[in-house]
Amino acid sequence: ETGVTQSPTHLIKTRGQQVTLRCSSQSGHNTVSWYQQALGQGPQFIFQYYREEENGRGNFPPRFSGLQFPNYSSELNVNALELDDSALYLCASSLTSGTEQYFGPGTRLTVT
Amino acid sequence: AQTVTQSQPEMSVQEAETVTLSCTYDTSESDYYLFWYKQPPSRQMILVIRQEAYKQQNATENRFSVNFQKAAKSFSLKISDSQLGDAAMYFCAYSRSIIGNQFYFGTGTSLTVIP
Repeated sequence: ETGVTQSPTHLIKTRGQQVTLRCSSQSGHNTVSWYQQALGQGPQFIFQYYREEENGRGNFPPRFSGLQFPNYSSELNVNALELDDSALYLCASSLTSGTEQYFGPGTRLTVT
Repeated sequence: AQTVTQSQPEMSVQEAETVTLSCTYDTSESDYYLFWYKQPPSRQMILVIRQEAYKQQNATENRFSVNFQKAAKSFSLKISDSQLGDAAMYFCAYSRSIIGNQFYFGTGTSLTVIP
């Protein structure tokens, strides 16, 4: 166990809907990153938050957005869901740059 | 752009034997970090081992060790005395050392341990 939790475990949505995924970071970690892991692929970086500010973004459209709260929990929001958004979404927390990231168990999102 | 390549989609090893998983990466940076993560069927990614690029000595963690060849941009993982619990997807990952530590992952190697 890494101390990082995510909710929900599984989620089924319809194309065009909006979804919010949640992550609770390991205690004391001020940086959280979100990844999308399609079936059979490695995780792809969506964005990172550091002290409640977006601190880096991968090649994902603006309909992927996030929030980080003062208690370092965070959310990933995806608007106008598309079928290709079906994936495992992982969050990972860390203390500072250059250190290892601690991953949560992920949320499996299915878009129908 | 940084890329990480794992050329072995699947590997198998007999229990108690040794197996080596390959990883190559591409970067123009001189300072960075490399990692091996394990993802069992339960899905939670677990850090296996990490290597700082500025360190010449290869990292080791119990039965796990790496062969880091900076000039060749190669970072292989050796698992000794393989155990059934080692069966999982293994991902090689790269991270720069400055703020905004985006991790770049390879596509993974599925390791099967044969009893």
